Amino acid sequence: KAGVTQTPRYLIKTRGQQVTLSCSPISGHRSVSWYQQTPGQGLQFLFEYFSETQRNKGNFPGRFSGRQFSNSRSEMNVSTLELGDSALYLCASGRGQETQYFGPGTRLLVL
Amino acid sequence: GENVEQHPSTLSVQEGDSAVIKCTYSDSASNYFPWYKQELGKRPQLIIDIRSNVGEKKDQRIAVTLNKTAKHFSLHITETQPEDSAVYFCAAPYSGGGADGLTFGKGTHLIIQP
Repeated sequence: KAGVTQTPRYLIKTRGQQVTLSCSPISGHRSVSWYQQTPGQGLQFLFEYFSETQRNKGNFPGRFSGRQFSNSRSEMNVSTLELGDSALYLCASGRGQETQYFGPGTRLLVL
Repeated sequence: GENVEQHPSTLSVQEGDSAVIKCTYSDSASNYFPWYKQELGKRPQLIIDIRSNVGEKKDQRIAVTLNKTAKHFSLHITETQPEDSAVYFCAAPYSGGGADGLTFGKGTHLIIQP
């Protein structure tokens, strides 16, 4: 069974731009969670989607948003990028029973 | 949301010795506690998890213990090997359970000395 995939793997943007990241979960998984990983703050929870509904949301500003499609694929969007948004963005998929498997991540650099 | 504290931040042990990493959590409703291993440049990998209806779970050289009364859980690695060198993260449900999404500890950098 194929694992969680994320695209793109690397991205360079400038301040003020917006970015969209994509995540394809393991086949059969209906839950997708997103995390931001930085050296200073560690792994922080952004939001979680299950069957196209946001079930859970972390403590991030409204510039961070997401959605999930009927095939369980998910996207996250960051608008008006700031330097501090530079991070590894990880998504994880699961069956909605808490066990989650991570994708390889998208490394975002904001200049 | 849930708050997870993890200690130590760095742990150096001799190859063949045991390693123990400890975590505490704040939300008594939390009922699921996974551990992830992340090697440099790679994704976090689930290595073991435990649910609140058991106090201990083992998988070969790895074990996790849970004390719900004290709200802490620990990872035990026995007979450590060089490939155990990595950063280990503990986690608990962000909102106490019922939905996915995890709160992670800050991580423990485990160094296995030859």
